[in-house]
Amino acid sequence: GAVVSQHPSWVICKSGTSVKIECRSLDFQATTMFWYRQFPKQSLMLMATSNEGSKATYEQGVEKDKFLINHASLTLSTLTVTSAHPEDSSFYICSARGAGPYYEQYFGPGTRLTVT
Amino acid sequence: GNSVTQMEGPVTLSEEAFLTINCTYTATGYPSLFWYVQYPGEGLQLLLKATKADDKGSNKGFEATYRKETTSFHLEKGSVQVSDSAVYFCALSKIQGAQKLVFGQGTRLTINP
Repeated sequence: GAVVSQHPSWVICKSGTSVKIECRSLDFQATTMFWYRQFPKQSLMLMATSNEGSKATYEQGVEKDKFLINHASLTLSTLTVTSAHPEDSSFYICSARGAGPYYEQYFGPGTRLTVT
Repeated sequence: GNSVTQMEGPVTLSEEAFLTINCTYTATGYPSLFWYVQYPGEGLQLLLKATKADDKGSNKGFEATYRKETTSFHLEKGSVQVSDSAVYFCALSKIQGAQKLVFGQGTRLTINP
């Protein structure tokens, strides 16, 4: 149990376009979802925390107008990178946390974004 | 602020060797400590955790002890296998609030047969 999926697993987009990444909890309800960014050979950096039905809380230095997060249901959160630039190229990872036995962060496999 | 420092990798060992991956932390208060493992092509998985000083987390032959006096949470395994090849992340979170995770930089481990 406690599976989190991400879609797509990799995406290439042109500079100036927007791209949406989905994160789904497949077998539990995720009251909280987290979005991380991972640079090559570096750690995961938390970008934002979202609770279902509420606005996301962004970490310091993360542009909320550029990285739009929507947590519309208990099983789905989306991250939209708007007006993407090459420096947005990275590995984006989500995690989801539920209640009771699911009260820890379960991670998705990540999405590789390349902006050309 | 809170931070986690891991020993730099990559680490390459032979099968059945003893493994230690060092992890130290800086935090206000008393955080919970975690080790996560990321196998190739997969998401991070919780390997073990400890929530208070002197606690020992263990799983799949791996162990780590929460050492408050040295602010450390070193990962150990007595005899590694090829299947242990992965990237290992040390992390901490505060007990209260959103319980956000702060990660170390990760250590890539390769076990040769």
